[in-house]
Amino acid sequence: DTEVTQTPKHLVMGMTNKKSLKCEQHMGHRAMYWYKQKAKKPPELMFVYSYEKLSINESVPSRFSPECPNSSLLNLHLHALQPEDSALYLCASLPRSGGARETQYFGPGTRLLVL
Amino acid sequence: GQNIDQPTEMTATEGAIVQINCTYQTSGFNGLFWYQQHAGEAPTFLSYNVLDGLEEKGRFSSFLSRSKGYSYLLLKELQMKDSASYLCAVRALYGGATNKLIFGTGTLLAVQP
Repeated sequence: DTEVTQTPKHLVMGMTNKKSLKCEQHMGHRAMYWYKQKAKKPPELMFVYSYEKLSINESVPSRFSPECPNSSLLNLHLHALQPEDSALYLCASLPRSGGARETQYFGPGTRLLVL
Repeated sequence: GQNIDQPTEMTATEGAIVQINCTYQTSGFNGLFWYQQHAGEAPTFLSYNVLDGLEEKGRFSSFLSRSKGYSYLLLKELQMKDSASYLCAVRALYGGATNKLIFGTGTLLAVQP
């Protein structure tokens, strides 16, 4: 298994809804990331988990709540989002070896629309 | 601060060569990556440089000059499927062993027949 999977692929939610995005990898990777990407813009880092502990929070609003239940799974809980939060949400993971040439592996993303 | 610049758009002809430039000003530099991203898809890894010089990988090559804060991605024998956004990303250390990628603005390449 050499991929990062994300579910759902698409999500439409209202501003009062609570939903969760899920990311999974079974490659034994040591770090997992959440990025937000708006159309025609580069990915923006939101959170980094290293060895299942939150190591970076890029001043993300509290309506986004990450969770890392185990080394293979990363969730992003969404609550009271705004229409401007509509974007592609990408998950990525980094191998445990952490060698200089190791790159992050990206999942296919969840396209989120907030109405 | 962290700043990574790329041209917004480029156009090239099928079969030709194109060079996409990237300039950066970052702290804690620990390598530079190039990714390809097709519309609506996830970024895919193309190449990596941490030392000065040229890295070649098939039709793709990437160059780095750390003293100049400059990199380029060279695409040879362009194919229509190479039409995509190309992202330059600098890896920066963030305390201990944690590192993060800082992405440039991306260059949208259109390959024409």
